[in-house]
Amino acid sequence: KAGVTQTPRYLIKTRGQQVTLSCSPISGHRSVSWYQQTPGQGLQFLFEYFSETQRNKGNFPGRFSGRQFSNSRSEMNVSTLELGDSALYLCASSLEGQAFFGQGTRLTVV
Amino acid sequence: AQSVTQLDSHVSVSEGTPVLLRCNYSSSYSPSLFWYVQHPNKGLQLLLKYTSAATLVKGINGFEAEFKKSETSFHLTKPSAHMSDAAEYFCVVSNTGFQKLVFGTGTRLLVSP
Repeated sequence: KAGVTQTPRYLIKTRGQQVTLSCSPISGHRSVSWYQQTPGQGLQFLFEYFSETQRNKGNFPGRFSGRQFSNSRSEMNVSTLELGDSALYLCASSLEGQAFFGQGTRLTVV
Repeated sequence: AQSVTQLDSHVSVSEGTPVLLRCNYSSSYSPSLFWYVQHPNKGLQLLLKYTSAATLVKGINGFEAEFKKSETSFHLTKPSAHMSDAAEYFCVVSNTGFQKLVFGTGTRLLVSP
């Protein structure tokens, strides 16, 4: 059974650009969550989608957005990138009692 | 609001000695509690979870944790450390199952030969 797949694994972007990250959940999982991990702030919840609907949202500015498709794949978008957006972005898919995390996308903003 | 406090940022043990990673939680409701492990350049792996069943929870790789409501604690233990246990460990709380996880700041476990 394939795990959670995040693409790309690494990204380098320039300040002011926008970026889109992708997450493919485990087959059959309809809930997908996104987290940001930084050395200073640790792991912080961004948002969670279930059946194409955003159910929960963390305390991040509107520059951070996401969506989920009918096949449960999810994307998150960050517009007008800032240096502070450099982080490891983790996606998790869950089903009835366990969340599985992908290996993450490491975003570097220069 | 809910939160977790991991009381040690680093813990150093020798191989073969016991491991204790401490976690206190705060939650307005009956929480679900988890421990996750993160190895370098790897994703997060669930070690164990507490969801209001038995207070002593057994996980993978010989780890276990005890839920103590009176002390609001959920400490992670292992009788004998192995070199492969060296990693970052996160205590996590949630009031919403797996929809929104609140992570502690992490404890880095160092295991020396």
